Amino acid sequence: AQKITQTQPGMFVQEKEAVTLDCTYDTSDPSYGLFWYKQPSSGEMIFLIYQGSYDQQNATEGRYSLNFQKARKSANLVISASQLGDSAMYFCAMREGRDNYGQNFVFGPGTRLSVLP
Amino acid sequence: GAGVSQSPSNKVTEKGKDVELRCDPISGHTALYWYRQRLGQGLEFLIYFQGNSAPDKSGLPSDRFSAERTGESVSTLTIQRTQQEDSAVYLCASSRSTGADKGNQPQHFGDGTRLSIL
Repeated sequence: AQKITQTQPGMFVQEKEAVTLDCTYDTSDPSYGLFWYKQPSSGEMIFLIYQGSYDQQNATEGRYSLNFQKARKSANLVISASQLGDSAMYFCAMREGRDNYGQNFVFGPGTRLSVLP
Repeated sequence: GAGVSQSPSNKVTEKGKDVELRCDPISGHTALYWYRQRLGQGLEFLIYFQGNSAPDKSGLPSDRFSAERTGESVSTLTIQRTQQEDSAVYLCASSRSTGADKGNQPQHFGDGTRLSIL
């Protein structure tokens, strides 16, 4: 079974508008972390934002925010005021593990975001 | 540099040859991961090292693939008798992991090795 699901293979957004990229996850571990990464066409993986399973508030980092709905097991990424440079693949990832070990990362299939001028 | 370093950045080789890919993690990062990414695809987990514990090899696609890491230092991924299907970008990532950590340490990725099998 897929642990991370990203149902949108591709998304388009107009420059300066907000966009939401969906991510749902599956885990029985009470302690986990959720991450979003950006991969531009140049290929590097860039860490964007983190949400912990015990965090009471939604994470925010500049124009990025995470809409964390724990009961629904969703961790959607919201990008406000889209810029042309936001065009990239976006990966949602989860890290499970109560302690130092067993902390493997699982990545979703990704969503390709295209920002239109 | 303080980032994850991978070498070579590009490798072209003939089918049937062995290749060795190198990853130098960020100093102090106990966890190290290898992934394969085929063109236009997501990340495929290969292997995970955590300190001196036995590695998680559950993602290795065949016995032609192996990886080593000594302690918390450099790792090498070896592919024997390469096949055309092995053509991909091989990404290495490392992350910190401490006793107080509850999983909030992100992975830091290298730039990858682009492997092309002729």
